Formats: sequence, structure tokens, C-alpha cells
Amino acid sequence: EVQLLESGGGLVQPGESLRLSCAASGFTFSTYAVDWVRQAPGKGLEWVSSISGSGRSTYYADSVKGRFTTSRDNSRNTLYLQMKNLRGEDTALYYCAKGRTSLSTPFDSWGQGTLVTVSS
Amino acid sequence: EIVLTQSPATLSLSPGERATLSCRASQSVSSYLAWYQQKPGQTPRLLIYDASNRATGVPARFSGSGSGTDFTLTISSLEPEDFAVYYCQQCSNWPLTFGGGTKVEIK
Repeated sequence: EVQLLESGGGLVQPGESLRLSCAASGFTFSTYAVDWVRQAPGKGLEWVSSISGSGRSTYYADSVKGRFTTSRDNSRNTLYLQMKNLRGEDTALYYCAKGRTSLSTPFDSWGQGTLVTVSS
Repeated sequence: EIVLTQSPATLSLSPGERATLSCRASQSVSSYLAWYQQKPGQTPRLLIYDASNRATGVPARFSGSGSGTDFTLTISSLEPEDFAVYYCQQCSNWPLTFGGGTKVEIK
């Protein structure tokens, strides 16, 4: 059974940094792209970033480009999202999601999410 | 960026009725469109990928159609557990984008 478990969320002030993690199990982690998707309270889904199975290719939403960095450690089956210069509009539940096959494919498994709150 | 516009925003129907949800893309996404269901307090669930393929375990009452810029998710006969928010997503171009969602509520 595929499992994705996010951690690292919390309350931070604007301009601060935070690193999210997503521990994966139940599938061959290194062969799948994984993404971050966020959902602001009471709002819809917003794709944040994608990373290929090898980690060599990454893509970002314009809203986070230059501030967020996604990476992965295939030896630890873990996905990361380093977030810098956080803003109020980054407040959201952050999900990691597994691509159905390769990059740019729908997400067939989702974690439960970790909440990031940016507020002074 | 490809903008996905979902309509209607809210659909009020009774159990047993047919639901028809629309997703329109600002430019062609070929057949690279997916549909998700999200219930309150739950994570999204993949229903349809590549416009018309049901994901594993998805009941046959859910069907997807369309290509290019116009897509439809149809629920043939609403079950009580189908009342939820539905999102479309395009996987044709970066950045990946989601529609704003359609809420299917009990009438």
C-alpha cells in the first residue's frame, strides 16, 4: 500500500524559512515523480512543484519560483520542500502526491498534508 | 499558463440524479486532463486520467469525456457518497494547473 507522510509544517513569521518532508513507502520511490500541491484554507488545489524520479528535473509554479526548492533523497525514500521568504499567501495545507507514472502525470496517491501558517 | 474554468461552481442535485460537470481549458491540453474528488476533511482522490480512463477502484458510474479544450465528468446516478467537490487538472503543459472546482451538493 502506498503511503505518503508529510511533516515539518508549523507557524512561521513572514520572511522566515521552513522545510517540509514527505516520507514515502509502499512503492519503488526512485522510479516515480513526486509533487507538492497546496490548498489554502477553504480554497481549491494549487500545484506547487514536481521532481522527477532521479531528481534531475524540477518544475515550479510561478508563485513559488525562486523561493521554494524541491529535492529528494531516494536512499531515504523522502521528498523535501525547502521554503524561503515565506508570505501570508503561502499559508496552506501542503500535500505530497505521487505521479501515476512519470513527470506531468496525474496524482494517484496523496499524503494527509502538513499545515503551514505564515503570520506575524 | 493554462487556465481551467469549471462550471457550474455549485450543482444541487438529489441522489439518483445525473451530474454533468464541465471543465474548459484556455488552450488545448489534448487528452491530458484528470478529475479528482475531494470530500470535506479528506485528501483528493484521482477519479479519471487522460480524459476518459477511470482510475483503479473508481465505480463505473463515473465517466469522463472530451479532448482539446472541453471536458465533461458525468456521474450517471448520484450516490450519497458522491456529494463532494470535484477538480479538473491539466497535465499537458507546465505549470500544471487545477480548475477552481465544482461542488456537488444535496438538493
